[in-house]
Amino acid sequence: GAGVSQSPSNKVTEKGKDVELRCDPISGHTALYWYRQSLGQGLEFLIYFQGNSAPDKSGLPSDRFSAERTGGSVSTLTIQRTQQEDSAVYLCASSLGWGSVFEQYFGPGTRLTVT
Amino acid sequence: GIQVEQSPPDLILQEGANSTLRCNFSDSVNNLQWFHQNPWGQLINLFYIPSGTKQNGRLSATTVATERYSLLYISSSQTTDSGVYFCAVEGGANSKLTFGKGITLSVRP
Repeated sequence: GAGVSQSPSNKVTEKGKDVELRCDPISGHTALYWYRQSLGQGLEFLIYFQGNSAPDKSGLPSDRFSAERTGGSVSTLTIQRTQQEDSAVYLCASSLGWGSVFEQYFGPGTRLTVT
Repeated sequence: GIQVEQSPPDLILQEGANSTLRCNFSDSVNNLQWFHQNPWGQLINLFYIPSGTKQNGRLSATTVATERYSLLYISSSQTTDSGVYFCAVEGGANSKLTFGKGITLSVRP
């Protein structure tokens, strides 16, 4: 079946602009995760959703970052007033359920470049 | 939080050789996954292995949870095995994966 999909695959934006990144999880997966991969920080966790709820937002780097999930499916990560340090690959993952017994599967990522 | 260390950081092999990649973690874990990141950046699931041993073709993995390490074995390596191998663990209650810095493998023909 189809895997996790993300859009756009690449995004170039000017400093100060807002961007929205989209994630479509694997059909039937109730848990969804956002991670970020950058040269300096490696792969780091941002936020996760159980259904439409995000119990822990402490991984978000600043209050310019927000995420939502609707209908227990699609999720959007929004970055307001982008800065150059936001440049990274943003990865989305999903799993069948929430909890450590469930394997996470990753999408291809969105490469964000802030100029 | 939990710390994950992978070694060696870089590995160069001749095609056909075998290799062992190591992942040490600082606390007990409920989930451990090995990934291969291909040249296009896609993370490919290799193993979900919080404990025990699994095999899939030329790849196998062993996790000794009580000693806090996992090993990924690649036998008869091929050029397509090149890329970055990540170990990721989850040890708390929120399912977040903590990744190691990765091992860059280059297999030469």
